[in-house]
Amino acid sequence: EDQVTQSPEALRLQEGESSSLNCSYTVSGLRGLFWYRQDPGKGPEFLFTLYSAGEEKEKERLKATLTKKESFLHITAPKPEDSATYLCAVQTLNTGFQKLVFGTGTRLLVSP
Amino acid sequence: DTEVTQTPKHLVMGMTNKKSLKCEQHMGHRAMYWYKQKAKKPPELMFVYSYEKLSINESVPSRFSPECPNSSLLNLHLHALQPEDSALYLCASSASGQSYEQYFGPGTRLTVT
Repeated sequence: EDQVTQSPEALRLQEGESSSLNCSYTVSGLRGLFWYRQDPGKGPEFLFTLYSAGEEKEKERLKATLTKKESFLHITAPKPEDSATYLCAVQTLNTGFQKLVFGTGTRLLVSP
Repeated sequence: DTEVTQTPKHLVMGMTNKKSLKCEQHMGHRAMYWYKQKAKKPPELMFVYSYEKLSINESVPSRFSPECPNSSLLNLHLHALQPEDSALYLCASSASGQSYEQYFGPGTRLTVT
């Protein structure tokens, strides 16, 4: 069975304190890995898609990387507005192109 | 433009009411989705429409009835809901046929009294 585990469950950072969120996966065959940001009471906002090990993508203070077993979301010099829940999701040979298997998310709080 | 819109933003309904949630996208996407999300949990897939045809039903109770009138619109008809159906209902869309990202709408906060 395909599984996605995110850690830590919650993370508190000071403004400017860089860190990384982890998404480890055990899947039948990875088709794609997706990162989303979700603010309370709102829909997830798409951030990145990664398809193969070694791939990296960047957007402002965020950088996503992918290995054969896990993905990291690196946050450089975070600001309070980066506070949100970050969700990782995968599509696999089992799920096909339409289903996403989500992790339970990392709740990030950045204090000024 | 990667916008998916949903109406209404909030809905309160009694257990005997009939109501509908609406979703619209103009990105030319041919796959559309309904999700249910409870507090502090990830979204849970309910239905998938591909090229206006229902392709996935995740064993959702019949009190939830989806409809896809055309390639841009997706409805979710609600009838005789239970209090445990209270949740954030999310619509999403994606290009079809490959591992493309799904774009989510802002959601409808549903409360069943």
